Amino acid sequence: GAVVSQHPSWVICKSGTSVKIECRSLDFQATTMFWYRQFPKQSLMLMATSNEGSKATYEQGVEKDKFLINHASLTLSTLTVTSAHPEDSSFYICSAKLAADTQYFGPGTRLTVL
Amino acid sequence: GESVGLHLPTLSVQEGDNSIINCAYSNSASDYFIWYKQESGKGPQFIIDIRSNMDKRQGQRVTVLLNKTVKHLSLQIAATQPGDSAVYFCAENVNSGGYQKVTFGTGTKLQVIP
Repeated sequence: GAVVSQHPSWVICKSGTSVKIECRSLDFQATTMFWYRQFPKQSLMLMATSNEGSKATYEQGVEKDKFLINHASLTLSTLTVTSAHPEDSSFYICSAKLAADTQYFGPGTRLTVL
Repeated sequence: GESVGLHLPTLSVQEGDNSIINCAYSNSASDYFIWYKQESGKGPQFIIDIRSNMDKRQGQRVTVLLNKTVKHLSLQIAATQPGDSAVYFCAENVNSGGYQKVTFGTGTKLQVIP
């Protein structure tokens, strides 16, 4: 149980294009999902908290107009990187909250912007 | 801001020995702590957690110790195996602006020597 999936696993895109990453909780409903970014050999940095049916809460320094988050259902949250640039290349990881505190993480999406 | 940090960036352990990974945290308001294991190119995997009203919790081959007096957290892995090789992150659950979020430490790479 408590499986979180992400799609795609990796994506390569040209600079200036937009990329959508999906995060799904497969066997449970998650009112709250989280989006993290991880650069090589670094820790995970929380980007935003996504609540079903409401606007996401972004961490300081994260551009909400660049990283669009939609949490339309209890099992799906999407992160869209708009007008991606090479500096946006990173490993994007989502997590979903099952119990009061426990988060389960997806496998991550490797984004490479050329 | 407050942060969670680790003492050792890399730990090399002989197969079969016990491993101890340490973590210092600074937010005295944190009430829940989690250890995650992350293998290369994958999302974090939940290992074990502990609440602030406990000082020790045991799982299968793993033990987490919490010392609130000195704000220190440790993960002990018994009889370390090659499959334990990964990066380990401690994380603290904090309440921020009315919602909860998980803040990750910098990570420790565990290398198991066969």
